[in-house]
Amino acid sequence: GQQLNQSPQSMFIQEGEDVSMNCTSSSIFNTWLWYKQEPGEGPVLLIALYKAGELTSNGRLTAQFGITRKDSFLNISASIPSDVGIYFCAGPDNNDMRFGAGTRLTVKP
Amino acid sequence: KAGVTQTPRYLIKTRGQQVTLSCSPISGHRSVSWYQQTPGQGLQFLFEYFSETQRNKGNFPGRFSGRQFSNSRSEMNVSTLELGDSALYLCASSPNLAGVGETQYFGPGTRLLVL
Repeated sequence: GQQLNQSPQSMFIQEGEDVSMNCTSSSIFNTWLWYKQEPGEGPVLLIALYKAGELTSNGRLTAQFGITRKDSFLNISASIPSDVGIYFCAGPDNNDMRFGAGTRLTVKP
Repeated sequence: KAGVTQTPRYLIKTRGQQVTLSCSPISGHRSVSWYQQTPGQGLQFLFEYFSETQRNKGNFPGRFSGRQFSNSRSEMNVSTLELGDSALYLCASSPNLAGVGETQYFGPGTRLLVL
């Protein structure tokens, strides 16, 4: 099945900085989902994208569905300590859901 | 609406035993998917149930099985536990089949430790 390549693998940033991460696939996706997972908890849906070129915001988070339908980006503006966690991209592929390996975000106060 | 719930949250078993995990989806959601999450392998798809039928299955041995009841609640069972089965087991629900682009909502997971 399709593999989702997510980068960067980890990020260490200062509070207040902006963050950008992305996800690419070898084939076309029709839906892109972004999740955040905190230690000991399940992933929580942040943003869902359903249309190529779509740009959607959720507070300080903004995600875009790439025009080629093979990539997606997640940006976090003015990071705060509670943004710490692992961010996953995901998309449906042949009747199951594929996940990227995750981007581990650390925010230093 | 209440979210996805999973029980138990934590479990310790020994090799060779079997275990049953439970998942209650969001009300109205008909699809339940199960995932195994480990530090080394990330999130791996186990199987998806929809209308009491297994619709999709990941690449896991037959020791991993599941079922879904008429109220959409699902259970997964792992028999003859191995040390490598230690993981966080996540359940996710969606209104319809996940593979058609439905958004999945995850439960908090069951952390299984096999000694």
